[in-house]
This record gives sequence, C-alpha cells and structure tokens, in this order.
Amino acid sequence: NAGVTQTPKFRVLKTGQSMTLLCAQDMNHEYMYWYRQDPGMGLRLIHYSVGEGTTAKGEVPDGYNVSRLKKQNFLLGLESAAPSQTSVYFCASSRDRQHSGNTIYFGEGSWLTVV
Amino acid sequence: QKEVEQDPGPLSVPEGAIVSLNCTYSNSAFQYFMWYRQYSRKGPELLMYTYSSGNKEDGRFTAQVDKSSKYISLFIRDSQPSDSATYLCAMSDHRGSTLGRLYFGRGTQLTVWP
Repeated sequence: NAGVTQTPKFRVLKTGQSMTLLCAQDMNHEYMYWYRQDPGMGLRLIHYSVGEGTTAKGEVPDGYNVSRLKKQNFLLGLESAAPSQTSVYFCASSRDRQHSGNTIYFGEGSWLTVV
Repeated sequence: QKEVEQDPGPLSVPEGAIVSLNCTYSNSAFQYFMWYRQYSRKGPELLMYTYSSGNKEDGRFTAQVDKSSKYISLFIRDSQPSDSATYLCAMSDHRGSTLGRLYFGRGTQLTVWP
C-alpha cells in the first residue's frame, strides 16, 4: 500500500544545477500537486495537474517546471537551482478537487538544499 | 495580510490536557475547512473536515467553525503523547470548475508530555 511516493528523499544541489523530483501515486487519482513547505510560511502550491497531460501554475511557480506524461506520475523540475529553492517539497494527490473535502494524500517529502 | 493566520506556537501541554488550536482567516468566501496533522519528517494527513459553520466531532477531536468571526478551532480532549505533531489548518472556497485551491496556515507545533 504505497500511496504517494517521492524520490529522492534528500538532495544537495549546487546553485545553477538542475534536477527532477519524481512523484508516483498508485491510487488512480486524477489530481496531483506539488507543494513546498518553508518555516513560517506553511504549505504553498507550486504547480498542479488535473489529469494526464495537463498542468497549471499554483501560488509560487517561478523557477519550476512540471510534467504529467503518465497519470500516475508528476515530475517537478528545477532548471537552474537557487538557494531560495531550499525547502521541503511535498507531492500530493486526490481523487477530486481539493475543496470537496475528499482526502488529499501527501507523500513523505523531499528535502532539498541548494548551496 | 495572509489569507490564513495561525499561531505557530510551540504549544506544550501535559498528558490529559485539553488542547485548543485556532486559525483566523480573511476571505469570507471560504466554505471548506480542514485540519491536517503532520508528524516530524512526514507528510500532512487529513484529520478533520468541516463544511460551512458548525461543529464536528470525531473521537477525542472536535472541529468548530465560526464563519461570522472568521475563526476555526480544533479541540483535542485527553491529549496523548502520540498527539505530538504540527497541526495545520487549511481552507478553500468553491469556484465551480476551478481547482478550489487550499490555503494553509503556518501550522502549530504541539508537544504533549507524559
């Protein structure tokens, strides 16, 4: 019963490097999300997807790109990492829209440090 | 002003105490209110969900929404050390075909000591 799986769990990047965070869900959910969590800021939505092949910007999309080529996977890319992108990244998925009260399932997080 | 305000704490209480966690918000369009629990080094998990105003009880947990005051609360009765976690409030409006984005509070860190 995997739920939402994120890889890698920890990563240290140098400024300017690129990387991709992978999120996989096995619940056949349509909606997938990438959040970042920073001290004192709470969870902020970066990008989201309402179905395979679709993506949309969230609250803080700058510096990130996403792709949803397969329904079960949602990739978050950093093309040129900056220290301001040091954060904990959470992927999440849900069967329906967030506001409907249906459960949003979060992954366990990916800790990213940009030096 | 943030859409959702939540005192980050930390809050430390003895086992068995009644815990009160609160959030205020500014957007009167919010209709859906949630509480998430997040253990250290883990992702958030949905604890309580309430639509519009009123109370909802689930075991030792009670969620209250007062839309007139734009104020929501989570009460934990007979608190246990296993309740030690960060509690995040979240809320959303309903905009038809749009995502109905969730707005999260900063989270309150709770420690229940034996």
